[in-house]
Amino acid sequence: DAKTTQPNSMESNEEEPVHLPCNHSTISGTDYIHWYRQLPSQGPEYVIHGLTSNVNNRMASLAIAEDRKSSTLILHRATLRDAAVYYCILRADTGGFKTIFGAGTRLFVKA
Amino acid sequence: KAGVTQTPRYLIKTRGQQVTLSCSPISGHRSVSWYQQTPGQGLQFLFEYFSETQRNKGNFPGRFSGRQFSNSRSEMNVSTLELGDSALYLCASSLLSGLTDTQYFGPGTRLTVL
Repeated sequence: DAKTTQPNSMESNEEEPVHLPCNHSTISGTDYIHWYRQLPSQGPEYVIHGLTSNVNNRMASLAIAEDRKSSTLILHRATLRDAAVYYCILRADTGGFKTIFGAGTRLFVKA
Repeated sequence: KAGVTQTPRYLIKTRGQQVTLSCSPISGHRSVSWYQQTPGQGLQFLFEYFSETQRNKGNFPGRFSGRQFSNSRSEMNVSTLELGDSALYLCASSLLSGLTDTQYFGPGTRLTVL
């Protein structure tokens, strides 16, 4: 199974942009890249997903490298409510659909 | 629209017992996935069901099993519990079962094995 690698933790100041990196060097051609986040004492929640092109939604942007071996989740203006563990996930078709979670990056946001 | 619900929220069992956890997906969702979350191993995929059929299974022993009913509700069962099975068990539902489907997670069932 393809794997993702993320930094254990990152810190940001409130109101500043945050770039959360993810490495997925063994990604397959049809694997989709998803990002979820988990706030304290809650289940994960969807943030964004993409295949090859950069993607934007109201929560964040996803920048995918041309070779697809890495991606970056961009939070344009971090708030205290964005403090969470962010997971970079590959959604793979292995005859059924398997979701492979990485270890996640814990984001700390300073006021 | 109600979110994913999981019951019970907390459970304490002893080694050797078995346990059944329940998950009710969002109305209209046909796919349910189960995950185990522990501090040491993080989030690990257990299995995914779509229209009552298991579509995929993670690397867990046969003691872990599941099923999905015709109304899309799902149960997972763990037999012969071990201390290492203590974890947060998360259920997620999605409309369909595909590479781009968004998964909506429930709050989880916290299982403690003594």
